[in-house]
This record gives sequence, C-alpha cells and structure tokens, in this order.
Amino acid sequence: EAGVTQSPTHLIKTRGQQATLRCSPISGHTSVYWYQQALGLGLQFLLWYDEGEERNRGNFPPRFSGRQFPNYSSELNVNALELEDSALYLCASSSSLLPRVNTQYFGPGTRLLVL
Amino acid sequence: KQEVTQIPAALSVPEGENLVLNCSFTDSAIYNLQWFRQDPGKGLTSLLLIQSSQREQTSGRLNASLDKSSGRSTLYIAASQPGDSATYLCAVGYSTLTFGKGTMLLVSP
Repeated sequence: EAGVTQSPTHLIKTRGQQATLRCSPISGHTSVYWYQQALGLGLQFLLWYDEGEERNRGNFPPRFSGRQFPNYSSELNVNALELEDSALYLCASSSSLLPRVNTQYFGPGTRLLVL
Repeated sequence: KQEVTQIPAALSVPEGENLVLNCSFTDSAIYNLQWFRQDPGKGLTSLLLIQSSQREQTSGRLNASLDKSSGRSTLYIAASQPGDSATYLCAVGYSTLTFGKGTMLLVSP
C-alpha cells in the first residue's frame, strides 16, 4: 500500500511569489492535514480537510489556503511569500473508519525555501 | 491552549542502554497521545498511539505510558541501537495535533 506522497520535494521561490504544494493521501483516507515545521518553531498545525471541506485551520494568516479535491488529494497555496515561510511542509492523512484512533500518517514533506 | 513540552531536548547514549523520553502537556482533556520518529529532513513515522482511555501501548522494544492526571507520557526504549538515532516527537489531540519540539536521540556504537 502506497503511503502519503507529496510534491515537489523541494521548492525555491522569491519573496512575493506564490507556492503550490501537493499531497496525495493513503488510499481510502478522507482526511488530509497540513503542518509547517520551521526551524526552531517545531511542528505547527496549518489546515485540516475532510470530505472536501476545510474543517479547521491553525493560527496562520489568510495567505495560507488550500483545497481538497474529489479524489481526496489536497493542495496548499501560499501567496505573497515571505522569508519566514521557509520551512518543511508536511502533509498527513487519516481514515474516518476508526474515528477514536485517528492515527495520522505523514508524507516525506516539501521543503520550501524563500529567497 | 494546549502546550506540549519534551525533556530532554537532546540525549546521547551508548548502544544497549535503556532510556526514557518524557513528554508533558498542560490540558489533560486529550483524546489521543501519539509518539513519532523523525529522521533528519524527513517526514514523521508513527510509533505508538495511546487513546485517552488507555494507560500504555507496546511495540517491540518501545513502550509508551500515559498518565492524564499528571499530564505526562513517557516513551521507554529498551536495548537502544544506533538505528534508533532520530528525533522523537510527542503529539496530543485528535484531528489537529499539538506537537512538542522533540528529543534528539543519538545512540553511539
């Protein structure tokens, strides 16, 4: 069974540009989560999508947005990039079949560098 | 607001030693507590998940305990190996996880 996949693995942008990051969940998983891991700040929750709807978002500005497609894959968009957006962006997925357990399975991440 | 703290921030041990990693959280109203492993520059690998109604979980050489009343969890690693070298992260929550900053473990041969 394939795990969570993310693309691209690395992304280099300049300040003010837009970045698009993609995630494909494990087959059968309907929930997708996005987390940011910036140096020194640890992992912080960004967004949660389930069944195509945004269910929750973390304490991030509106220029961080995303969507979930009918096949449950997801896209994270970051507009007006700032230097501090440089981080490892991790996507995770989980299945709604075991709601009490809800183990999240993580992808390898996209490393975004903003110059 | 839930806060998760992990102690120590870094740990270096010789191969074969048993060790304990600590995680504490401020709000005892948690659903689950999950321990992850992260290798440098990589994603997270789920090690153990403890539901709020459980007190411990075991997988191979790993044992995780949960004490909600004191807001603590420990990850016990038996007979450590160089391949255990990684950063270990503790996270609490259900859908949106709150993470600690991790313990960086180095096991030397």
